[in-house]
Amino acid sequence: AQKVTQAQTEISVVEKEDVTLDCVYETRDTTYYLFWYKQPPSGELVFLIRRNSFDEQNEISGRYSWNFQKSTSSFNFTITASQVVDSAVYFCALRGVNTGGFKTIFGAGTRLFVKA
Amino acid sequence: DAGVIQSPRHEVTEMGQEVTLRCKPISGHDYLFWYRQTMMRGLELLIYFNNNVPIDDSGMPEDRFSAKMPNASFSTLKIQPSEPRDSAVYFCASRNNYGYTFGSGTRLTVV
Repeated sequence: AQKVTQAQTEISVVEKEDVTLDCVYETRDTTYYLFWYKQPPSGELVFLIRRNSFDEQNEISGRYSWNFQKSTSSFNFTITASQVVDSAVYFCALRGVNTGGFKTIFGAGTRLFVKA
Repeated sequence: DAGVIQSPRHEVTEMGQEVTLRCKPISGHDYLFWYRQTMMRGLELLIYFNNNVPIDDSGMPEDRFSAKMPNASFSTLKIQPSEPRDSAVYFCASRNNYGYTFGSGTRLTVV
């Protein structure tokens, strides 16, 4: 069975603070992909990143960084120096290749409030 | 590239009516997905197509839901008859080698 857990339902920070969104996943597949998506108040889903299970290198893109740790089955997302425009719901997702086909399992999402 | 285009953006309909949601994927993407988002259940995959062929429809909640993809540039999700509990945002997505691109969604309200 595949599962994605985002234990933080809501996080509230003040602008310029760093914030980390947690994501823990379960899968029996040896090959899988992990994703993060942003859903701003306007409602659309914006793709942020995809990582495959063989690439544990951390990635940085501007103020965004991702920490993939297979040993703990986690794929955490950090926003450095948060801004009000970062306020959104963030979804972590998993797609297992061996058994999952192209089904992507989404976590419940973490709602981030960034106050000015 | 206009992205994945969904129509309508908003739909309000009465219980019992037929509802058709439309999606135009990105040209060249060979996978198309329909998702539903509700407060209670989050994002759920309903069905996906590969090269216009339905591959997995196990997420379709019941027989009132049906989806078609008559060609590579168009797909529909139909609910007949609609019920208030179908109220949700329905997303269409197509896939490239790197990730999914989602449409803006259709917010369906069944009253």
